[in-house]
Amino acid sequence: GENVEQHPSTLSVQEGDSAVIKCTYSDSASNYFPWYKQELGKRPQLIIDIRSNVGEKKDQRIAVTLNKTAKHFSLHITETQPEDSAVYFCAASNFGNEKLTFGTGTRLTIIP
Amino acid sequence: DGGITQSPKYLFRKEGQNVTLSCEQNLNHDAMYWYRQDPGQGLRLIYYSQIVNDFQKGDIAEGYSVSREKKESFPLTVTSAQKNPTAFYLCASSILGIAGPNEQFFGPGTRLTVL
Repeated sequence: GENVEQHPSTLSVQEGDSAVIKCTYSDSASNYFPWYKQELGKRPQLIIDIRSNVGEKKDQRIAVTLNKTAKHFSLHITETQPEDSAVYFCAASNFGNEKLTFGTGTRLTIIP
Repeated sequence: DGGITQSPKYLFRKEGQNVTLSCEQNLNHDAMYWYRQDPGQGLRLIYYSQIVNDFQKGDIAEGYSVSREKKESFPLTVTSAQKNPTAFYLCASSILGIAGPNEQFFGPGTRLTVL
C-alpha cells in the first residue's frame, strides 16, 4: 500500500518569512495530493490540492509543487502570518481508490 | 463548516464496553470515511464506504465495525476488542468523481476516552 512520509514534524518561522513542508510517497500510481490544515481543536480543512497532470499550483500565499519522478511534493507558504500557525497534513491517493493516505503532520508555529 | 456532523463531542467508556459514534452528512456525498487521530501519527483510516450497504476496511480496522444503511449516515462502533481505543475520531465524506479522488470534508470529531 501507499506510504507517505512528511518532514519536518515541527517548524517555527518568523512572521513574514516563508515555510516549506515536504512529503514523499511510495506508490507511483498515486495521482492526487491534497494538503489539509488543522487548527487547534478544529477539524482538518483542505487548503490546496494538486493532481499529477500539473507540476505546480498556487492560491495566493500558498503553493504546492509536485515532482512525479522523485515522488515528492511540497507545500510553500509565503509571507507567513500568525493565523498560519496550525498542523498541516499532506496526503496521497490514486484514481479508482478513494482512500487517502496521510503523512504524520507538521506543526507550524509563526513567531510574531 | 456545516454539512457533516458527529456526536457526541466527548465520550467516556468503561473497559469492555462497546460504544457507537455517530456521523451524519447532508451534502449528498456518496463516500464516507472514519479516521483515527493520535498525537504524532496523523490520520489513519479505519473504514470507508462508497455506496450504501457496502464498506471496506482501512488500515486499522481491527476492533471496529461500521454500517451504511443510509447514504447520510455512517456510524462507527468501537468494540471491546479494540485494545487502545482512546483517541480522537474523525468522520469525513466526499463526492465520487470520474476524474479521480476529491476533497474530503471532515466532521468536528469525537474524543473517546476509555476509563
